Amino acid sequence: EAEVAQSPRYKITEKSQAVAFWCDPISGHATLYWYRQILGQGPELLVQFQDESVVDDSQLPKDRFSAERLKGVDSTLKIQPAELGDSAMYLCASSSYTDTQYFGPGTRLTVL
Amino acid sequence: SQQGEEDPQALSIQEGENATMNCSYKTSINNLQWYRQNSGRGLVHLILIRSNEREKHSGRLRVTLDTSKKSSSLLITASRAADTASYFCATDADDYKLSFGAGTTVTVRA
Repeated sequence: EAEVAQSPRYKITEKSQAVAFWCDPISGHATLYWYRQILGQGPELLVQFQDESVVDDSQLPKDRFSAERLKGVDSTLKIQPAELGDSAMYLCASSSYTDTQYFGPGTRLTVL
Repeated sequence: SQQGEEDPQALSIQEGENATMNCSYKTSINNLQWYRQNSGRGLVHLILIRSNEREKHSGRLRVTLDTSKKSSSLLITASRAADTASYFCATDADDYKLSFGAGTTVTVRA
């Protein structure tokens, strides 16, 4: 069964450093989402792509976060510089013009 | 911001018992979905119920939706140890964007 791939699974960094997360959606899925999940809370949408275009990035802290999906396939989420409050699970999901989103295993970020 | 709110926050039951959790939301929706998350892992889609549906079943799962009360419930029957997880409701009110609640943590005791 096809799955959403994410790497790395875990990342520890010091504040003010740059970090990047990678996501490879299920093949053929046009829509890709990045979520942030703080411990004990539900996921919150950061950015939504349709193919290579950003559909919604209203909740993305654009002073330090950036996201791209250059060829409309895989995607990278970057944080520069990282802050202590960025410690969270970063989840990627994809869907194919349907209501159901398929999630990857996530990247657990710890900022020291 | 999170639209959905699950109740209870945590639930502990004996294996074989049923588990019920509720979700309330604030605005009109296209559909409501339930997801499961095992500790430290990604989310797994369980079931989707559309705004014009009142009840849906999938295996041991039963979901109800009351749009007049803006609420939904998820029932897991004959629980197993493998059902230990966090369960999230997510509402789709706009263009396939999901808004998640804070989740219900379910512990199934052997």
